[in-house]
Formats: sequence, C-alpha cells, structure tokens
Amino acid sequence: AQTVTQSQPEMSVQEAETVTLSCTYDTSENNYYLFWYKQPPSRQMILVIRQEAYKQQNATENRFSVNFQKAAKSFSLKISDSQLGDTAMYFCAQTDYDKVIFGPGTSLSVIP
Amino acid sequence: EAQVTQNPRYLITVTGKKLTVTCSQNMNHEYMSWYRQDPGLGLRQIYYSMNVEVTDKGDVPEGYKVSRKEKRNFPLILESPSPNQTSLYFCASSLWYGGGHEQYFGPGTRLTVT
Repeated sequence: AQTVTQSQPEMSVQEAETVTLSCTYDTSENNYYLFWYKQPPSRQMILVIRQEAYKQQNATENRFSVNFQKAAKSFSLKISDSQLGDTAMYFCAQTDYDKVIFGPGTSLSVIP
Repeated sequence: EAQVTQNPRYLITVTGKKLTVTCSQNMNHEYMSWYRQDPGLGLRQIYYSMNVEVTDKGDVPEGYKVSRKEKRNFPLILESPSPNQTSLYFCASSLWYGGGHEQYFGPGTRLTVT
C-alpha cells in the first residue's frame, strides 16, 4: 500500500535562513510522481515542486529544491533564503497512477 | 480565469440530512478528486474520477457518493451525514495522461455536522 510520512509536525526557521522538510514514502511501483504542496493560512493548496521518479536529477524551482533518494524512498524539500510568505503547512504527496496519497503535513513558521 | 469552484464554502447541518457539495472546473481536465483534511492526518482521498462516468474509491470512501456525468462537474454527496464527517473538504482537478500532473484545488468547504 502507498504511504507517505512526514516526521516533523512543526518547524521554525529564521528569515533568510535555509530549512529542510523531510518526507518518506512507500510504494511498490517503479515509476511514480512526488509533490510538495503548500497551504498558507488562506487554506489554498499551491503546488511548490514536482519530481518524476524516473528522473534522477533533483527538481528545483527558484528557492525550492528537493533531495530525491529513490532507494531510500526519501523526498525532502529545501527552502533557501526563507521569507515570511513561506509560513504555511507543507504537504508531501505521492501518486503511482491514479490514487494520490498525502502526508500529515509539516507546519513551518518563518520568524522575522 | 482557470479555476476550480466549490459550493457552499461553509455548511452546518444536522445528522442524517442529505447534502451535496458541488465542484466545477473550467480547464477541461480529465481527472477530478475529492479530499478531506483533518488535523494531523493531512489530506485523504475520498473518491477520484479519471473521466466522465469513471469513478473509483480513494482511501476513505465510506459514507460518501460521487458522480461524473459531465467532464466539468464532480459533486460530492453525503446521503446521511454523521458528526465524524465534520471536516474541511477540497475538490481538485488535473490533466491526466498517465498521472503525475499538478492538481488544481478549489477553495475548500468547511462542513460541520451536529
């Protein structure tokens, strides 16, 4: 069965610093997709970054990058130069083909 | 404007009173899905649909029904709501060519069942 685990319920980081959010998953498939979504206090869900499992190169989007370790089934998110607007819940998600499984989320606070 | 709309945004109801939460998207997406969000549990998939007249159960389908008669609409039906269905509900849609596409989420529906 597909599962997604986020072991850090809450984290904080100083503005302009770097923070890494952890995610591990389990799937029996060889090809799948991984996502990080952000949910600010407005509740709107926003895609941060996406990774295809068959691509070895780690995805990057501006200040956001991932460390994808396929053998370890690990998919961590690094946020560089943290900004106040990064304060949000962050959800890791995985899909094989049709179902989508989300982790329980990490609440990130950026401190001025 | 490309968007997913949900109605109502807030709903308070009583146990056993049938209700429907509507979801509509204007992006011609094949894939649509319903999630519920509960503290500490993240988002859990209720039902999803890969195209018109094709629906499948997610991880928590008990107590819910869906239908996909048109590509743009995917209503969520609670025939006999119970207090454990009090939650924040999201509808989402995406392109579907083998999966892996960004999902676009609606604004959420806060449901309280007393």
